[in-house]
Amino acid sequence: QQPVQSPQAVILREGEDAVINCSSSKALYSVHWYRQKHGEAPVFLMILLKGGEQKGHEKISASFNEKKQQSSLYLTASQLSYSGTYFCGTEHTDKLIFGTGTRLQVFP
Amino acid sequence: GAGVSQSPRYKVAKRGQDVALRCDPISGHVSLFWYQQALGQGPEFLTYFQNEAQLDKSGLPSDRFFAERPEGSVSTLKIQRTQQEDSAVYLCASSLGGRVGGETQYFGPGTRLLVL
Repeated sequence: QQPVQSPQAVILREGEDAVINCSSSKALYSVHWYRQKHGEAPVFLMILLKGGEQKGHEKISASFNEKKQQSSLYLTASQLSYSGTYFCGTEHTDKLIFGTGTRLQVFP
Repeated sequence: GAGVSQSPRYKVAKRGQDVALRCDPISGHVSLFWYQQALGQGPEFLTYFQNEAQLDKSGLPSDRFFAERPEGSVSTLKIQRTQQEDSAVYLCASSLGGRVGGETQYFGPGTRLLVL
């Protein structure tokens, strides 16, 4: 039931790109993406809704494939501040089910 | 402050003690959620309020866990007779509207509970 994220961890140099994937075994109605730094609260990045609507971040984009029950988060020209753990949350009835997490580290 | 606040930030309890964790959502937010986050894991849903009504408590791990939001704003998560497996970070989130889909959830900093 918990969405599976891949990869589990990514190491980047500043300026490089990354893709984080989120795959669910259940039908998706919306996908929420969050970033969490160690010891801090998860911070909202983006929501993707069934039907293609997106709400979110300027420098981060995402895709939502309802048929494949997958979403991907695209981080381009990564910055040091992008470091953290990324979680997708998939909507099921009235709750969000968060994924397994992807740890991203950006080095200068 | 404009964000979600939680107190205490850290709590150490002896096994068997009762604890109460407080969440102050963003003013005017209709929905309030509680999550439990184990080390290295994603947040796990516990319960959901729409105003003062608890609409879903399916994620509460046992009947030792109880949550309330009596006036539709501040919420308290109470854990009775704490066990070591209750050690985790407890996150509270609020959202403006009364539905999950399409609504941004704003998280508080969490309460880190350690049961000895």
